[in-house]
Amino acid sequence: EDQVTQSPEALRLQEGESSSLNCSYTVSGLRGLFWYRQDPGKGPEFLFTLYSAGEEKEKERLKATLTKKESFLHITAPKPEDSATYLCAVQSGSNYQLIWGAGTKLIIKP
Amino acid sequence: NAGVTQTPKFQVLKTGQSMTLQCAQDMNHNSMYWYRQDPGMGLRLIYYSASEGTTDKGEVPNGYNVSRLNKREFSLRLESAAPSQTSVYFCASTVTRGDQETQYFGPGTRLLVL
Repeated sequence: EDQVTQSPEALRLQEGESSSLNCSYTVSGLRGLFWYRQDPGKGPEFLFTLYSAGEEKEKERLKATLTKKESFLHITAPKPEDSATYLCAVQSGSNYQLIWGAGTKLIIKP
Repeated sequence: NAGVTQTPKFQVLKTGQSMTLQCAQDMNHNSMYWYRQDPGMGLRLIYYSASEGTTDKGEVPNGYNVSRLNKREFSLRLESAAPSQTSVYFCASTVTRGDQETQYFGPGTRLLVL
């Protein structure tokens, strides 16, 4: 059964304190792994898509990496505006529907 | 370009009442989706439409119906609302460019069923 687990559920950091969020997955033939950001009261906003192990993508203070079992979202020197819930989803090659993790709530304190 | 829009933003229903959630996209996307989001759980797919005139069940379709009215609009109907349908509902549409597929989400409809 396709499954996505995100950890930790919540993460509190001081401004400037770098860290990583984890997305572990089991899927029959990975077609793509997606990262989204969700602000309170809003819909998810697309960040990255990763397709194969070893792939990396960056956007401002965020860097996403992918292995055969998990993906990491690295946050370097975060700012309070990076506070949000970060969602991970996978798409299998056999079923194009996305399977979503429950998200990691990131809080950056000034 | 408004992207994906949803109405209403918030709704309170009594058990047994019916309602339709509206979704429209102006990005000329073929595929559209309805999800529900509950605390502590990932987004769960209710129904999707790969193209105008087609609809398919997702993971949690019971208690819902959908209509793909045209390429722009995809509505979700609750015929007889139940407290278990209290949730936040998101509509999304997908663009595929080569191998790259991206889902764009609306702002959500918050539904409370009493």
